Amino acid sequence: KAGVTQTPRYLIKTRGQQVTLSCSPISGHRSVSWYQQTPGQGLQFLFEYFSETQRNKGNFPGRFSGRQFSNSRSEMNVSTLELGDSALYLCASSQTGGVGSGEAFFGQGTRLTVV
Amino acid sequence: AQKVTQAQTEISVVEKEDVTLDCVYETRDTTYYLFWYKQPPSGELVFLIRRNSFDEQNEISGRYSWNFQKSTSSFNFTITASQVVDSAVYFCALTRNSGYSTLTFGKGTMLLVSP
Repeated sequence: KAGVTQTPRYLIKTRGQQVTLSCSPISGHRSVSWYQQTPGQGLQFLFEYFSETQRNKGNFPGRFSGRQFSNSRSEMNVSTLELGDSALYLCASSQTGGVGSGEAFFGQGTRLTVV
Repeated sequence: AQKVTQAQTEISVVEKEDVTLDCVYETRDTTYYLFWYKQPPSGELVFLIRRNSFDEQNEISGRYSWNFQKSTSSFNFTITASQVVDSAVYFCALTRNSGYSTLTFGKGTMLLVSP
């Protein structure tokens, strides 16, 4: 059974650019959550999608957005990149209950570096 | 507001030693869920345990054990007879609702087990 796949694994972007990260959940999973991990702020929840609808949202500026497709794959977009957006972005998938259910599986993340 | 404190930033032990990772939490909710995750160098978060606020029984799973004490708002994690493969960053987390993905994470404890 394939795990959660995040692409790309590494990315380098310039300030002011925009970036799109992709997350393919485990087959049959309908919930996808995104987290940002930085040395300073630690792990912070971005948003969660379930059946193509945003079910929950963290406290991030509007430059961070996401969507989920009918096949449950999810993308997150960051516009007008800032140096502080450099982070490991983690995606988690679960059947229905989200990360709080204890049934979620995480991908290996996308390491974004903004220069 | 919820808060999770992992006071130990880094712990170094020699293989076969027992080690305890501390977690102290703050919440005003009467119902909440506590978690432990392991993050190996590959990056993904690996779920270890979820415990709800009404279940204060200690739990043991192989070499892992957890001590939940509501009186001191602590949820400590002990690895018995540590192994090199236990080297990772360990995170304690908290959520008010099992259906949420908005986990509040501690800053993590890096455990280094040397042979």
